[in-house]
Amino acid sequence: GAGVSQSPSNKVTEKGKDVELRCDPISGHTALYWYRQSLGQGLEFLIYFQGNSAPDKSGLPSDRFSAERTGGSVSTLTIQRTQQEDSAVYLCASSLWGTGNLHFGNGTRLTVT
Amino acid sequence: EDKVVQSPLSLVVHEGDTVTLNCSYEVTNFRSLLWYKQEKKAPTFLFMLTSSGIEKKSGRLSSILDKKELFSILNITATQTGDSAVYLCAVDHAGGTSYGKLTFGQGTILTVHP
Repeated sequence: GAGVSQSPSNKVTEKGKDVELRCDPISGHTALYWYRQSLGQGLEFLIYFQGNSAPDKSGLPSDRFSAERTGGSVSTLTIQRTQQEDSAVYLCASSLWGTGNLHFGNGTRLTVT
Repeated sequence: EDKVVQSPLSLVVHEGDTVTLNCSYEVTNFRSLLWYKQEKKAPTFLFMLTSSGIEKKSGRLSSILDKKELFSILNITATQTGDSAVYLCAVDHAGGTSYGKLTFGQGTILTVHP
């Protein structure tokens, strides 16, 4: 079956603009995660959705970052008023609940100029 | 502060060599330790370890966890050029009923020359 799908694969935006990144998880996976991978920083947790529970937003770096998950499936990560330090690869992952075994997508490479 | 440290940061070997990658951690609410392989884009799952002293094995790769000393090792025997990648160690330390909130190490860049 299909893996985790992310779009776009690359996004270049000007500083100050808003961007939306999309993630389509593996069918049947109830848990969905966003991570960020920056040069020299490694992979950092951003946010986690599990079923109908309130999301764990503890990793979001500022209030410019938000995420939604509609209908328990597709998720959108929104970054408002982008800054150059937001440049990174944004990785989405999904898993069956209770396994902790994350399946990652190929990521969206965001470049803020 | 939760911390996962990998060593070495990079390693260059020749085909056929055996390598050992290290991962040490200091986290609260430890649940499991995971190893991932990242080639170009998506990290791919290798192992999940929850119990001390039990080796997990998949082909030429194996891994073991020591919960007393707070570390894990990933061994790759008879390395091949296709093993060249970044190997990521991560610890799942979410509390309660949450899973998958991972703290990652910096990764070990493995290069295998023919």
